[in-house]
Amino acid sequence: DTAVSQTPKYLVTQMGNDKSIKCEQNLGHDTMYWYKQDSKKFLKIMFSYNNKELIINETVPNRFSPKSPDKAHLNLHINSLELGDSAVYFCASSLGTKNTGELFFGEGSRLTVL
Amino acid sequence: RKEVEQDPGPFNVPEGATVAFNCTYSNSASQSFFWYRQDCRKEPKLLMSVYSSGNEDGRFTAQLNRASQYISLLIRDSKLSDSATYLCVVNKKDSSYKLIFGSGTRLLVRP
Repeated sequence: DTAVSQTPKYLVTQMGNDKSIKCEQNLGHDTMYWYKQDSKKFLKIMFSYNNKELIINETVPNRFSPKSPDKAHLNLHINSLELGDSAVYFCASSLGTKNTGELFFGEGSRLTVL
Repeated sequence: RKEVEQDPGPFNVPEGATVAFNCTYSNSASQSFFWYRQDCRKEPKLLMSVYSSGNEDGRFTAQLNRASQYISLLIRDSKLSDSATYLCVVNKKDSSYKLIFGSGTRLLVRP
């Protein structure tokens, strides 16, 4: 009965490869997010979708492409991986767009680029 | 200047101690404030919202000072299980609403 689930939990890959992380939420929330947490523990928002529509797109290289096939899913595809992409990527969801409530996070996907 | 700043710690305290964390934010247009807790190698989870009048949840008390743009979290009677990183979170609106996370303050409670 996991609320926000993301796969894979661990991903080790070579520079230059393309990889995807999938996220699903069963909370019935309208809004989903991708956050990146680097080695210094800063948690930074990358993207947000509300009902499949992109509403937040931070300054992220265009090698990162989110896709939301429906409001319960938000996937992240990364092209041409670089060493600096190594981080933990968290998917999250919330009831609405105003962030006045709680964000529910997935367990994170730890990406290591060699 | 970072949008949300916290002392990274670690704060190393004995069980039963009272410990306080502060956090400052730079954007006076920020609207909502929260404390999240993140255990080692786990996801962040909401600990409590922070209201203008201050609020308490058991051993935890949160306060907001809008004039000085800081938020505090007080933990009384620390337990071993309180050991975690505490993230100060601020909601601001520019083109849309965003939650801005501080880098966290690490707390270690020792027996």
